[in-house]
Amino acid sequence: SQQGEEDPQALSIQEGENATMNCSYKTSINNLQWYRQNSGRGLVHLILIRSNEREKHSGRLRVTLDTSKKSSSLLITASRAADTASYFCATTGGGADGLTFGKGTHLIIQP
Amino acid sequence: NAGVTQTPKFQVLKTGQSMTLQCAQDMNHEYMSWYRQDPGMGLRLIHYSVGAGITDQGEVPNGYNVSRSTTEDFPLRLLSAAPSQTSVYFCASSAMTGAWDTQYFGPGTRLTVL
Repeated sequence: SQQGEEDPQALSIQEGENATMNCSYKTSINNLQWYRQNSGRGLVHLILIRSNEREKHSGRLRVTLDTSKKSSSLLITASRAADTASYFCATTGGGADGLTFGKGTHLIIQP
Repeated sequence: NAGVTQTPKFQVLKTGQSMTLQCAQDMNHEYMSWYRQDPGMGLRLIHYSVGAGITDQGEVPNGYNVSRSTTEDFPLRLLSAAPSQTSVYFCASSAMTGAWDTQYFGPGTRLTVL
């Protein structure tokens, strides 16, 4: 299994600050994805970065990928209370192993 | 579009009972998957399908059966429920743009087995 592991497990910041979460994985990947899960809800796709890409942006989100270190980071800029959620990274080698999720980072934005 | 829908939202079973969790999508997606999420854990893949009539096992398939007779539907069957199957179950679908690309998740079914 090439399960990703998010770091930190929990993060609490003030509204307006930037939040950074990291993901490490074990084997080579085809792509890495980040998802958000609000309490009691399903997962929502945020961004996908392929193994030949180093950085992607989407609105207030910035994702980087370092395949040499087998790691990725998710940066949320100018955080808002609505960003309070759990964030998961998921990796795939593209084969029958499917998509493998980490345990998540629980982000709390303090008003 | 309704996206991915799941029924029921909540279910309580007794050990040994059987039931089917329903999943449907209206996006004409080829890929569909079932995951389970346990407290403090990420999602684990149970079964998946790459198209009608084709299914395969994921990381934790034991105790679950699936079938895919149509593109839209992908039910998950528990043949004889066990307390270890207490979990939140999510169905997901994705388009055939690439293996395991963006997943669209349903709202989940919270299952308790007594």
